[in-house]
Amino acid sequence: KAGVTQTPRYLIKTRGQQVTLSCSPISGHRSVSWYQQTPGQGLQFLFEYFSETQRNKGNFPGRFSGRQFSNSRSEMNVSTLELGDSALYLCASSLARGVGNEKLFFGSGTQLSVL
Amino acid sequence: GENVEQHPSTLSVQEGDSAVIKCTYSDSASNYFPWYKQELGKGPQLIIDIRSNVGEKKDQRIAVTLNKTAKHFSLHITETQPEDSAVYFCAASIGGSQGNLIFGKGTKLSVKP
Repeated sequence: KAGVTQTPRYLIKTRGQQVTLSCSPISGHRSVSWYQQTPGQGLQFLFEYFSETQRNKGNFPGRFSGRQFSNSRSEMNVSTLELGDSALYLCASSLARGVGNEKLFFGSGTQLSVL
Repeated sequence: GENVEQHPSTLSVQEGDSAVIKCTYSDSASNYFPWYKQELGKGPQLIIDIRSNVGEKKDQRIAVTLNKTAKHFSLHITETQPEDSAVYFCAASIGGSQGNLIFGKGTKLSVKP
């Protein structure tokens, strides 16, 4: 069974640009969460999607957004990039929601560098 | 706000020794506590998890203990091997918030042959 797939693996952008990252969850998994990982702040929750609806959101500005498609694939978008947005963006999937479905399986991430 | 503290930040052991990593959480509603291993260039890999209604869980050389009263949980690795070298993260669920885990800052474990 294939794991969580994230594309692209690496991305270089300049300040002010926007970026879209893609995530394909494990086959059969319907919930997708996004995390930002930086050396200073560690792993921080961005948002979670289930059935094409955002269910939870972390403490990030509105420049960070996402969506989920009917096949459970998800994308996240960051607009008006800032230097501080440089980070490893991780996608994680879980089978469903609710008790017993908490296990999160992470992809390898997209390393975003903002110059 | 909710917080998870993890200690130590670095840990160096000899091959064959045991390693223990400890975490403390703040949210009384947390009921799920996973541990992840992250190797260089890879995403975090779930290695073991425990729910709040269980005090201890073991999987081969890895065990996790939970003290819900004290809000402490720990990872124990026995008979360490060089391939155990990685960064380990503990995490706790946010009460009622699916997919939202609060992570500790990580422990870099080095196992010397």
